[in-house]
Amino acid sequence: GEDVEQSLFLSVREGDSSVINCTYTDSSSTYLYWYKQEPGAGLQLLTYIFSNMDMKQDQRLTVLLNKKDKHLSLRIADTQTGDSAIYFCAESNNQGGKLIFGQGTELSVKP
Amino acid sequence: EADIYQTPRYLVIGTGKKITLECSQTMGHDKMYWYQQDPGMELHLIHYSYGVNSTEKGDLSSESTVSRIRTEHFPLTLESARPSHTSQYLCASRTRLNTEAFFGQGTRLTVV
Repeated sequence: GEDVEQSLFLSVREGDSSVINCTYTDSSSTYLYWYKQEPGAGLQLLTYIFSNMDMKQDQRLTVLLNKKDKHLSLRIADTQTGDSAIYFCAESNNQGGKLIFGQGTELSVKP
Repeated sequence: EADIYQTPRYLVIGTGKKITLECSQTMGHDKMYWYQQDPGMELHLIHYSYGVNSTEKGDLSSESTVSRIRTEHFPLTLESARPSHTSQYLCASRTRLNTEAFFGQGTRLTVV
């Protein structure tokens, strides 16, 4: 079945770039997503990428997709303490329409 | 801005009680989902719906049930709550073209 994997923790210094990685197994994935979750809150959609793209940039966020290796990454430039949160990678395909999530990566930004 | 709402935000109830968690969206989305989130962060799909009168069980077995009588409304019901049901429940809806998927703020349920 479909599976999405992320590393659990990442710690960076304020002002550095953060790179959060994700791998998935479903070769028919159509859309891949990055969500942010702050303590006690729901999930906030940060960005998504269609599977026929290899890069998408939105202000401080850059998403890279390597479809051959089924690898997705989220780069946050000039990371701030307000970026501290849990980041979830998710994938879906057009057949089932289900969103399958990774375990989440806890990003800690130190001043 | 996502228009998807969950009520209540927090709920503490006794074992054996029947409860309904509400989820509503005003975006006209056909697809809606319920996820259960462990204290350790992972999200598990427990129910989903592709439209009115459509409901499917997700990947994680759950004792809850759902209904979809109206497009905008996707309530989740526990007939007899148990401490093992203590968790955060997140509702989501998705655009017709399967692009963006938006989440509500979640309901944190504690069964004592």
